[in-house]
Amino acid sequence: DAGVTQSPTHLIKTRGQQVTLRCSPKSGHDTVSWYQQALGQGPQFIFQYYEEEERQRGNFPDRFSGHQFPNYSSELNVNALLLGDSALYLCASSLVGLNYGYTFGSGTRLTVV
Amino acid sequence: LAKTTQPISMDSYEGQEVNITCSHNNIATNDYITWYQQFPSQGPRFIIQGYKTKVTNEVASLFIPADRKSSTLSLPRVSLSDTAVYYCLVSGNRDDKIIFGKGTRLHILP
Repeated sequence: DAGVTQSPTHLIKTRGQQVTLRCSPKSGHDTVSWYQQALGQGPQFIFQYYEEEERQRGNFPDRFSGHQFPNYSSELNVNALLLGDSALYLCASSLVGLNYGYTFGSGTRLTVV
Repeated sequence: LAKTTQPISMDSYEGQEVNITCSHNNIATNDYITWYQQFPSQGPRFIIQGYKTKVTNEVASLFIPADRKSSTLSLPRVSLSDTAVYYCLVSGNRDDKIIFGKGTRLHILP
């Protein structure tokens, strides 16, 4: 049973560039949430997708955008990268309405130089 | 969303039982309590979840008093590999997103 798969595992980008991170949810899950985790901090909620629409959003600027595809997979896009965007980006999947059953991926480590 | 408060860090020794308490005074009737474990550079991993009284699985126990304003994660006979950050979360159906606090950094000593 495949869990949550994220790609790539590591990424180095230059300030001002754009990046796309990808997530495949656990089989049977239909909701994808994205989190940003800076070093030494807890994960911060970015947004959540269900039925290809953004359902909820945390306190992140519009530079952060996402997409969910018909197969429930999701992308996180970040434009105009800042040094402060360097973090571990986590994807979590769940079944809608059952948010206490989150499964997390191993994350994508983004370094902005 | 119910806010949670837990100790920033704890130290213990191999073979000991470790109890981490989480305070959630504003927990709602429909909220569940969930604990996650996270190792460096990995995603959080579900440990245990409960609504009231006591829940036990193969790795931990969760104790929830009648007023549900706190909960205690109990890890029996810890080993060095239990060194990690432990997060207590409170959430229910009415709010689909889950919000992490700072977690408790548990350090197991030999």
